[in-house]
Amino acid sequence: AQKVTQAQTEISVVEKEDVTLDCVYETRDTTYYLFWYKQPPSGELVFLIRRNSFDEQNEISGRYSWNFQKSTSSFNFTITASQVVDSAVYFCALKCDSKLTFGKGITLSVRP
Amino acid sequence: DAGVIQSPRHEVTEMGQEVTLRCKPISGHNSLFWYRQTMMRGLELLIYFNNNVPIDDSGMPEDRFSAKMPNASFSTLKIQPSEPRDSAVYFCASSRSGSFSYNEQFFGPGTRLTVL
Repeated sequence: AQKVTQAQTEISVVEKEDVTLDCVYETRDTTYYLFWYKQPPSGELVFLIRRNSFDEQNEISGRYSWNFQKSTSSFNFTITASQVVDSAVYFCALKCDSKLTFGKGITLSVRP
Repeated sequence: DAGVIQSPRHEVTEMGQEVTLRCKPISGHNSLFWYRQTMMRGLELLIYFNNNVPIDDSGMPEDRFSAKMPNASFSTLKIQPSEPRDSAVYFCASSRSGSFSYNEQFFGPGTRLTVL
């Protein structure tokens, strides 16, 4: 069975602070994919990044960066110099075959 | 390009009524997914189709729920009869999938269903 754990439920930071969102996953498959999605207050789910199990290279996209470590089954997401517009619920997800399993989500509030 | 289109965006109905949610996937995508989001249970996969064929409906809560995909550009999720506990946001997502595919799913805006 696949499982995604996002232990943090709510995080509140002040604008310009860095913040890391944790994600731990469980799967017995050797081939799998990891994703992060953002759900802003408007409600839609926005795709942020995809990583496959064979590529442990970390990725940076502007203020966003992702740290994938198979040894600890983690796929953490860091926002540098957070902004108010980053306030949203962030979901980590694991894909095996075609099924996507989501974590419970982390509510990030960035205060001005 | 248009994203995933869902209708209606909001639906308020009374217990016992039939509810039909509609989804148009992104053109060229061959997999379609229905999810339900609630505060208690988070995001749950209800059913998914590949090339219009239902592949896994193990997430469908009970027989009151049914889903169809008559063609590559249209799917429906029907609840009959509806109950207050069905109140949730229902998302449709689509992707271009194949063996060992890692293609991300693109989500529609969701339908917020309230059953009184």
